Amino acid sequence: NAGVTQTPKFRVLKTGQSMTLLCAQDMNHEYMYWYRQDPGMGLRLIHYSVGEGTTAKGEVPDGYNVSRLKKQNFLLGLESAAPSQTSVYFCASDAGAWNQPQHFGDGTRLSIL
Amino acid sequence: DQQVKQNSPSLSVQEGRISILNCDYTNSMFDYFLWYKKYPAEGPTFLISISSIKDKNEDGRFTVFLNKSAKHLSLHIVPSQPGDSAVYFCAASLPYNTNAGKSTFGDGTTLTVKP
Repeated sequence: NAGVTQTPKFRVLKTGQSMTLLCAQDMNHEYMYWYRQDPGMGLRLIHYSVGEGTTAKGEVPDGYNVSRLKKQNFLLGLESAAPSQTSVYFCASDAGAWNQPQHFGDGTRLSIL
Repeated sequence: DQQVKQNSPSLSVQEGRISILNCDYTNSMFDYFLWYKKYPAEGPTFLISISSIKDKNEDGRFTVFLNKSAKHLSLHIVPSQPGDSAVYFCAASLPYNTNAGKSTFGDGTTLTVKP
């Protein structure tokens, strides 16, 4: 009964390094999302996907790229990490129906030094 | 311009009393509203929701009220329990055919229930 799994849970990077955050869901959901949460703030949408092979920009997409090669996986990439990208990143998925809530992973805590 | 606002960053109540968390929105096109609950080091989990065609939805100790004319919704927890201590996020969604399911989240209210 895994739901949404995020890998890794913690990571420390140096400025300029690259990395990929992995999100996997086992609920056969069509829609997947990546959010970031900064202290005292809500969840801000980075990118989302409405199905395998599709991606779209959210509210704060700059500095990030995503891919959805398989329906169950949604990858978030940072090509050249910056201190402003220090945050907690949450992945979520839902069935794509009108009134279905999102299911969230437990987050990835990313620090950029 | 923040479309969903939770103006109280924190709320403290005594165990057994009522907790009332508030949320205001600016976009009259929002037609579905959700509350999520988040414990430290965990992701948000869905708590309760309400469609814009209703003004109240109840689930056990949790009730959400929607006042469309005031663009305001509230979450009532009665009676409050220490295990309810968490961050509560309000979220709002546009009609699905215009929004691809995206929700706009408020900044959250941290509820502390004291024994």
